[in-house]
Amino acid sequence: DTGVSQDPRHKITKRGQNVTFRCDPISEHNRLYWYRQTLGQGPEFLTYFQNEAQLEKSRLLSDRFSAERPKGSFSTLEIQRTEQGDSAMYLCASSLRKHPGEDTGELFFGEGSRLTVL
Amino acid sequence: GENVEQHPSTLSVQEGDSAVIKCTYSDSASNYFPWYKQELGKRPQLIIDIRSNVGEKKDQRIAVTLNKTAKHFSLHITETQPEDSAVYFCAASMNLMGTGTASKLTFGTGTRLQVTL
Repeated sequence: DTGVSQDPRHKITKRGQNVTFRCDPISEHNRLYWYRQTLGQGPEFLTYFQNEAQLEKSRLLSDRFSAERPKGSFSTLEIQRTEQGDSAMYLCASSLRKHPGEDTGELFFGEGSRLTVL
Repeated sequence: GENVEQHPSTLSVQEGDSAVIKCTYSDSASNYFPWYKQELGKRPQLIIDIRSNVGEKKDQRIAVTLNKTAKHFSLHITETQPEDSAVYFCAASMNLMGTGTASKLTFGTGTRLQVTL
């Protein structure tokens, strides 16, 4: 499967623990996005990268959240001192911006990493 | 920032009937409006999109209309089939293809479509 892959698919943790999610985008895609989705809601934007540069962060992304994309390929999203309100599906998506005129805007999503904080 | 509202939250239609889902957006700079379909337990997938330089786009049984003045856009599914049952999300962003400038996608809250036999 050459689509966006996320790991782990499910994570159950106790409140106060740290968790890290990994996303591997489609190989030629240079943009990578993190979204959070709770039950019955649409995906909420968290942050996005173009190559290794983090271009925008949502106000939803508190200082307990940090995302990296060190080599412009895979990305990690870390949540420190998890709270029950962090329970959600964390979706990663990638898109291709090959040339300005070819930026279709289509996001390709991964299957998501479901976090449950007890 | 952009705010996207979507209605209805649930929609039940009989197989063969049409379904219409409506969205409004707040940022007049938004010019790219995709629709994503998310089946239960699956990832969201793009089904159709429209840019602000056109008012309507059609792909087989699916069509999207855009009214820039009123800042609303709609998804129309004709001759619905059971496999159309899913959650549908509208979204909006500013995406200037000529310059490569693109803002993040802001999603609506979703419409759960149920197609009954």
